[in-house]
Formats: sequence, structure tokens, C-alpha cells
Amino acid sequence: DQQVKQNSPSLSVQEGRISILNCDYTNSMFDYFLWYKKYPAEGPTFLISISSIKDKNEDGRFTVFLNKSAKHLSLHIVPSQPGDSAVYFCAARGNSGNTPLVFGKGTRLSVIA
Amino acid sequence: EAGVAQSPRYKIIEKRQSVAFWCNPISGHATLYWYQQILGQGPKLLIQFQNNGVVDDSQLPKDRFSAERLKGVDSTLKIQPAKLEDSAVYLCASSLNPYSNQPQHFGDGTRLSIL
Repeated sequence: DQQVKQNSPSLSVQEGRISILNCDYTNSMFDYFLWYKKYPAEGPTFLISISSIKDKNEDGRFTVFLNKSAKHLSLHIVPSQPGDSAVYFCAARGNSGNTPLVFGKGTRLSVIA
Repeated sequence: EAGVAQSPRYKIIEKRQSVAFWCNPISGHATLYWYQQILGQGPKLLIQFQNNGVVDDSQLPKDRFSAERLKGVDSTLKIQPAKLEDSAVYLCASSLNPYSNQPQHFGDGTRLSIL
């Protein structure tokens, strides 16, 4: 049973345009959400996070939106750059202290120059 | 600050052999995690340590996998005997304080291939 779902395995976007990566979750106990970026042969790198008390968090070109009623979050990258081409993982964690991160399967983003 | 260090980067063994991976977390990070990432999947937690104690090993196949963090710093993960389905990337991560919203920082992983 996949608790964190990234339904788009891949996404192609033109350089300079907006990239929108989506993530859905099923566990209503999740209250902290993260996005990680992964280049080939490297480990995942933390990108941005959001707590369930917020509906938006912004860091430079990256913005994460959280819709708790829909159990949906999205990562917006504006403007997209070729260096953003990577696999993006959505992850979530429960609210009872030291609970493990649950990851989605990832979305491969290709930004075309 | 130096990141999470893992070795080796790659390992190829035959099924039924044993293998060990090593991880050195970011200095000062009390919490250490081992993940298994199978091709096309997201990382899956195998075991979590807080200092030298195990916090969660519910998804560790204990009949063949073992892990230790004896001095509360670096850690080893062992597989014995290996099966074909153990082919994956094994990622180590660390965090400062898992009880607050601190992100986990990952190493580059060990890619294990079982022949």
C-alpha cells in the first residue's frame, strides 16, 4: 500500500517555464512533507519542506503548496533551468515525534534548453 | 561541513555471499538511518539509530540483514547471505534531531549488484 504517490514518472519542461511536480498521500497522520532532488549516482539532496500548519513555503525558485483536505502537495519550480533536471522525491512523516520518512517513487524532470 | 560518507560506492557479489557497508554521518548528528532503494522506487527505511540504540528496525529482514552503531558515530550494515532481490542502492542518512523538523541528509550510497 503506497502511502505517498507520485503518479507522473516523468515530466519534460522547456527552460524558463514553470515545472509542477505533484504528490498525493493517503495517511492523514502525515504532518511534515519534504521534497528531495536526486542526480544520478548521488544521494538525495534536501530541497524544501512544509509543515501541515502552512499551505505554502517558498525558497527562491522553489515553492511547495500543501492542500490538506485533498491530501495533495505540489512543487513549483520557476523558472526552470537545465540544472534542475533530476529525479524529485516527495516524502512525508507522521506527527508522533520520531516517525520514519515515507518516500514516493519519484518523478524524473527533464528541462530542455 | 562534511557530508555523510559511505563506502564502498559499488559492490558486486554472488548470491549467498556476504557484504558489508560502512557509513560515517555528519559530525554531531545523533540519528542515523539506513535505506534500501530498489531501481524505480523511493528509498525505504531499513533501520534507524538514535546514538547507539535502535529506534526502528521493523522493516529490516533480520534473518539476513544486521546493522550496528557501536560507538554512536559510524555504522555498518551487513547482508549475509545475499539474495538476488537485495540488488539495490543502500543509502545512509543522518539528522540532527528527529523530533524537530530537521531534514535528513543523505550520503551517495552503495550500489550493490548480486549475480
